[in-house]
Amino acid sequence: QVHLVESGGGLVKPGGSLRLSCAASGFTFSDYYMTWIRQAPGKGLEWVSYISSSSTYTNYADSVKGRFTVSRDNAKNSLYLQMNSLRAEDTAVYYCARSAAADYWGQGTLVTVSS
Amino acid sequence: EIVLTQSPGTLSLSPGEGATLSCRASQSVSSSYLAWYQQKPGQAPRLLIYGASTRATGIPDRFSGSGSGTDFTLTISRLEPEDFAVYYCQQYGSSPRTFGQGTKLEIK
Repeated sequence: QVHLVESGGGLVKPGGSLRLSCAASGFTFSDYYMTWIRQAPGKGLEWVSYISSSSTYTNYADSVKGRFTVSRDNAKNSLYLQMNSLRAEDTAVYYCARSAAADYWGQGTLVTVSS
Repeated sequence: EIVLTQSPGTLSLSPGEGATLSCRASQSVSSSYLAWYQQKPGQAPRLLIYGASTRATGIPDRFSGSGSGTDFTLTISRLEPEDFAVYYCQQYGSSPRTFGQGTKLEIK
């Protein structure tokens, strides 16, 4: 069965960096677009980024453009989100999800940006 | 950017009743690339509907989606206790891929 597991979240100071990972299993990872979505505490869902199956195409929300970079390693069945210049408003649970219409989600990893 | 506006913000109904949730887009959604998700407290969202009207794997047939262009609807017939949750629509036809603000379906 499809399984997505995020890791790498934690507490970071404003201006700091974090790299999130998403380990995928149970499907042919290299066949699918992958997406990052976040949810600030008590708030709604916010789409963050996607990457195409072969990394040819990427796209970002305006709120993270220029600070976040999505990447993937199909040989390792892994998705990444490099987050730089973090701000308090980036505090959220970050989910990885399969495909454009996110048919499978991980359990999420919490990123807290605070001094 | 396509802005999605969901209504109502909160819907109070009783088990056994039917629910109608609306999602209106500020521009036409390309090729009906509109999805609906259900989220319960402490859980990741779950895909219910994609392509505006196709149920995702394992979703009961009491959930149905309809609409095109700028107006979309999620209908839940005969509410079950486990259906009380927050529901989000999302368009994935153009970038950025935006979500609506959510509709909370609560027990009356």
